[in-house]
Amino acid sequence: DQQVKQNSPSLSVQEGRISILNCDYTNSMFDYFLWYKKYPAEGPTFLISISSIKDKNEDGRFTVFLNKSAKHLSLHIVPSQPGDSAVYFCAASETSGTYKYIFGTGTRLKVLA
Amino acid sequence: NAGVTQTPKFRVLKTGQSMTLLCAQDMNHEYMYWYRQDPGMGLRLIHYSVGEGTTAKGEVPDGYNVSRLKKQNFLLGLESAAPSQTSVYFCASTDPMAGRNEQFFGPGTRLTVL
Repeated sequence: DQQVKQNSPSLSVQEGRISILNCDYTNSMFDYFLWYKKYPAEGPTFLISISSIKDKNEDGRFTVFLNKSAKHLSLHIVPSQPGDSAVYFCAASETSGTYKYIFGTGTRLKVLA
Repeated sequence: NAGVTQTPKFRVLKTGQSMTLLCAQDMNHEYMYWYRQDPGMGLRLIHYSVGEGTTAKGEVPDGYNVSRLKKQNFLLGLESAAPSQTSVYFCASTDPMAGRNEQFFGPGTRLTVL
């Protein structure tokens, strides 16, 4: 039973447009969420996070939205750039002491020049 | 700072062979994790450690053992490798006491078991 789901395996967007990546979770105890970006043959790198006490967090071109009632979060990238082409993972955790994260299966974003 | 480093980067094993993957971090992080990444599966937690001398099981611990004898090192062992353990292995670390919850990942080890 997958607790964190990214239902879109891939997404293509034109350069300069908005990219929206979605993530759904089932465990209502999750209270902290992360987005990671991963390039081929590299480890994931942290992008942005959000705590369950917020519904939005921004960092430059990246914004994460959290809808707790729907158990849904999304990552918006505006404007999208070719260098954003990568696999994006969302991850969720109960911050109860072990900080174990459950990762989604990833969405491959391709930004077309 | 090198961050999180992993040794080796690539390895090919035959079924039944053993090996140890080494993870090292120079950020003085308390918590360390081992994940495996398989196509269509995302990252799955194998084992983790919340401090020197401690280890605990994650989602998929079978077939693996770990040790955390020094704070900066986290070792992942395969005693008798199986083809199902062909995967990319990532180590990560974090320090919640620093007020940040994100995990920092190493570059990965690509393991093939024939």
